[in-house]
Amino acid sequence: DTAVSQTPKYLVTQMGNDKSIKCEQNLGHDTMYWYKQDSKKFLKIMFSYNNKELIINETVPNRFSPKSPDKAHLNLHINSLELGDSAVYFCASSQDVRRDSYTRDHNEQFFGPGTRLTVL
Amino acid sequence: AQSVTQLDSQVPVFEEAPVELRCNYSSSVSVYLFWYVQYPNQGLQLLLKYLSGSTLVESINGFEAEFNKSQTSFHLRKPSVHISDTAEYFCAVRGTSYGKLTFGQGTILTVHP
Repeated sequence: DTAVSQTPKYLVTQMGNDKSIKCEQNLGHDTMYWYKQDSKKFLKIMFSYNNKELIINETVPNRFSPKSPDKAHLNLHINSLELGDSAVYFCASSQDVRRDSYTRDHNEQFFGPGTRLTVL
Repeated sequence: AQSVTQLDSQVPVFEEAPVELRCNYSSSVSVYLFWYVQYPNQGLQLLLKYLSGSTLVESINGFEAEFNKSQTSFHLRKPSVHISDTAEYFCAVRGTSYGKLTFGQGTILTVHP
């Protein structure tokens, strides 16, 4: 019954490796997001996809590449991991503001439990 | 662009005491305001939100927040806290037209018996 799920929950890896974090939502939402929460607990958006189309791309190194095979999934692939990539990564989803006029002004984002990435 | 400042990184209180978690924001456009709560080892959950209308909004578990446009604030309050309210609380803002959420740095509320 989990609305937004992420795997894995914990990921420990060496510098230079390539890793992926998966996200799935079963809410029927059209928009999905990736956020990064650093060691100081700052939450910042990285990407947003709407119906598999990239709509927000913050200043993120191109080692980070989101992939959306369908609107229920938004995976995050990270190449050549660096120490500074250590953080908690949260996936979120929301209804498409452009299609659902009732929720257009609400756009509540539902968050996954997070993936704690540790780069050694 | 928007920014959010949560003035207290940690707030310790005793059970049944009142609490206020402060949030100030800056924005050049009209905004919607949110409070999210993150319990230990869990994701963020929406606690309450201000979209329009009454400036005082309430959650189902006794929290309330008041939107003050002149002071650009959206402080979160509860008159009597429980142990179970121990969590981290994030204030967030976004523009009223489609836009990303911008979060504050969070306030850890610890309720002691």
